[in-house]
Amino acid sequence: EVQLVESGGGLVKPGGSLRLSCAASGFTFSNAWMSWVRQAPGKGLEWVGRIKSKTDGGTTDYAAPVKGRFTTSRDDSKNTLYLQMNSLKTEDTAVYYCTRSVGGTLEHWGQGTLVTVSS
Amino acid sequence: QSALTQPASVSGSPGQSITISCTGTSSDVGSYNLVSWYQQHPGKAPKLMIYEVNKRPSGVSNRFSGSKSGNTASLTISGLQAEDEADYYCCSYAGSSTNWVFGGGTKLTVL
Repeated sequence: EVQLVESGGGLVKPGGSLRLSCAASGFTFSNAWMSWVRQAPGKGLEWVGRIKSKTDGGTTDYAAPVKGRFTTSRDDSKNTLYLQMNSLKTEDTAVYYCTRSVGGTLEHWGQGTLVTVSS
Repeated sequence: QSALTQPASVSGSPGQSITISCTGTSSDVGSYNLVSWYQQHPGKAPKLMIYEVNKRPSGVSNRFSGSKSGNTASLTISGLQAEDEADYYCCSYAGSSTNWVFGGGTKLTVL
């Protein structure tokens, strides 16, 4: 069974940093393309960023609102995905979901972790 | 403003059918047969209901079906049940730099 478990969320002040983690199990993590999707309180879903598998180049892409501030990385030896978030803004407040993409579909989702950016 | 356009709300009575539309552009919905639909109950993570326009993951009821015509995709739920009451989001792959775009979500109320 595929499991994705996010952690690391919390309260941070504007301008601060936070690192989210996503522990994966039930599939070959090293072969997977992984993404982060967020959902602001009471709002819709927004794709944040994606990292390919190392065999496919390990490259990353980001949505415009987070480009240059957020970085996603992976540790295949630990089956873990990371999202480093810097220069946080109040509008980054959201539940952040870790997802596994299969053939162009965001197929599996974690339960999410809440990030609150507030002074 | 979301990249894909969905109605904010739809409603139906138990046993009825409803359809939720999702309108994109020739750069996303119109270019790829990679439209998916997610169901989200309050406080829960989204659940994949339809992928690649009209395919159902294992375990999803055959009351859920999807289709696409041009730049518009649709989700139909037949034989509405109380547990179908939830928010529904469409999503389309949009190429290697944009990756994925979502609709703003549709709140389904079962009367």
